[in-house]
Amino acid sequence: KAGVTQTPRYLIKTRGQQVTLSCSPISGHRSVSWYQQTPGQGLQFLFEYFSETQRNKGNFPGRFSGRQFSNSRSEMNVSTLELGDSALYLCASSFRGYEQYFGPGTRLTVT
Amino acid sequence: QKEVEQNSGPLSVPEGAIASLNCTYSDRGSQSFFWYRQYSGKSPELIMFIYSNGDKEDGRFTAQLNKASQYVSLLIRDSQPSDSATYLCAVKRTSGTYKYIFGTGTRLKVLA
Repeated sequence: KAGVTQTPRYLIKTRGQQVTLSCSPISGHRSVSWYQQTPGQGLQFLFEYFSETQRNKGNFPGRFSGRQFSNSRSEMNVSTLELGDSALYLCASSFRGYEQYFGPGTRLTVT
Repeated sequence: QKEVEQNSGPLSVPEGAIASLNCTYSDRGSQSFFWYRQYSGKSPELIMFIYSNGDKEDGRFTAQLNKASQYVSLLIRDSQPSDSATYLCAVKRTSGTYKYIFGTGTRLKVLA
């Protein structure tokens, strides 16, 4: 089976811009979670989607949003980018909502 | 107190030795426990998961869970230099807020 794919892999944006990241889960997986990883904070949970519904949300401001499509693909959007949003954004998919399998990540740099 | 705590390391062990990685968690409602390995510049890779008290073995890896002590560990037998990575402990709780909590990871260095 193909693994989790994320696009783009690298992105450079300017403060104030917005960005959309995409994630395609493993075939058959209906749960998609998003995480932000930074050297100082580690892996921080953003949100989880299951069957197009947001099932849970972490402690991030409303500038961070997401959605899931009927084919389980998910997008994450960050509006009004700040320098502190520079991070590795990881998507993880799961069949049952337990074991998660991560994609390669999108490295976002905000200048 | 962090919800999931790990010693940041680095933990250095000689090749062939047993590496012991530890993790404690604060929420007694936690029900599922996971170990991930993350090489520098790569994404986390699931190594093992454990749901019940006791030991679970998979090849050179053994996960140990003690819910009474709120403690989960990962043992790596016959450590190899290729095992050098950061090991992340993750806890999932299904009571209250349904989400994963990750520790900040322990960096393991296996010395050849």
